[in-house]
Amino acid sequence: GAVVSQHPSRVICKSGTSVKIECRSLDFQATTMFWYRQFPKQSLMLMATSNEGSKATYEQGVEKDKFLINHASLTLSTLTVTSAHPEDSSFYICSARDPGGYGYTFGSGTRLTVV
Amino acid sequence: QKEVEQDPGPLSVPEGAIVSLNCTYSNSAFQYFMWYRQYSRKGPELLMYTYSSGNKEDGRFTAQVDKSSKYISLFIRDSQPSDSATYLCAIGKRSNYQLIWGAGTKLIIKP
Repeated sequence: GAVVSQHPSRVICKSGTSVKIECRSLDFQATTMFWYRQFPKQSLMLMATSNEGSKATYEQGVEKDKFLINHASLTLSTLTVTSAHPEDSSFYICSARDPGGYGYTFGSGTRLTVV
Repeated sequence: QKEVEQDPGPLSVPEGAIVSLNCTYSNSAFQYFMWYRQYSRKGPELLMYTYSSGNKEDGRFTAQVDKSSKYISLFIRDSQPSDSATYLCAIGKRSNYQLIWGAGTKLIIKP
């Protein structure tokens, strides 16, 4: 089946620094990828929809300048958390639509801790 | 009112029991329905996908959709401790890619 690889799985950074998270579709091309944020014991919150070759579409309330999304190729989307603050600490997950047409395949997630 | 309602639990049952997980939704325009399983600190994995009313079975899992009542269920037979996870329902429309997620139900299967 379709596989989405996400790296890193865990990252700790200092306040004020930037962190990049990569999401790759390993055996299929993904023109659209999705970035989610998940707080402990809560459901997934869609942050933005990443479109290959064009600007990402952000959900209401998500800061575009803080969460930079780049979808430079059909197999890679990146999320950069800029000037990170402790409140940005969370679990970030990417996904892509399964090319088989059923459901969405998720990466394994990235746990970001800002200290 | 949320578009999708799901009891967050936790739901604790003994090993071997039949588990019933449920979601309700408010918009009849939703056309497809999914159940995902998420282990702690991992991304969700798709368990079941369906787009019509009725039952769909896959091994120990059965997904049930009742569009008239806007109610979806996931049944797990012969539950195992390895089934302990958070189960999320997700619904969507064919017109776009976005999914609406339930809150997730934490399931605990006691040995």
